[in-house]
Amino acid sequence: EAGVAQSPRYKIIEKRQSVAFWCNPISGHATLYWYQQILGQGPKLLIQFQNNGVVDDSQLPKDRFSAERLKGVDSTLKIQPAKLEDSAVYLCASALRGRSNYGYTFGSGTRLTVV
Amino acid sequence: DAKTTQPNSMESNEEEPVHLPCNHSTISGTDYIHWYRQLPSQGPEYVIHGLTSNVNNRMASLAIAEDRKSSTLILHRATLRDAAVYYCILRDNNQGGKLIFGQGTELSVKP
Repeated sequence: EAGVAQSPRYKIIEKRQSVAFWCNPISGHATLYWYQQILGQGPKLLIQFQNNGVVDDSQLPKDRFSAERLKGVDSTLKIQPAKLEDSAVYLCASALRGRSNYGYTFGSGTRLTVV
Repeated sequence: DAKTTQPNSMESNEEEPVHLPCNHSTISGTDYIHWYRQLPSQGPEYVIHGLTSNVNNRMASLAIAEDRKSSTLILHRATLRDAAVYYCILRDNNQGGKLIFGQGTELSVKP
């Protein structure tokens, strides 16, 4: 089966600019997650979708970050305006369901550098 | 969220077994024990998971203590491709099953 697709692979922007990341999960996976991974740290969950509804966005900095999952398939994560501390890898993952006995499949991520 | 404790780093020799420990003394009855690994410049990859009994798959084995307060991921013959950060994660079915990552164990494999 095809994996989780993310684009772009790399992005360099100046602070205060906006940026968007795209994720296409595995077909049929109802649950989708966005993670932020700062260099040297484990991934940090930003937001969880179940189909096209938000399940948990408690760790999403809503003053600058937004995410949507239209039609319960693809998802986009946006940052506006970006700050230097947003430099990180943004990972998308999907799972068949959100239950504990299903594994996640991660994409390769988008590496964002804010200068 | 229930916490796990792992060594920051471990070393192994190629073709030898590797035992990666994880302590999770505050585990609850509904927590599954999941292991993921992350190779350089890639997203995390599912390795194995279990609830109470030991588990085996093509990648690894998971040994779970009888009281479930600790577990060990076993790679039977380490290869250079197994060099990665290994994360032990407790996943609570009652919290939407989300994965909360810690720092993990960085495994290096020497030829």
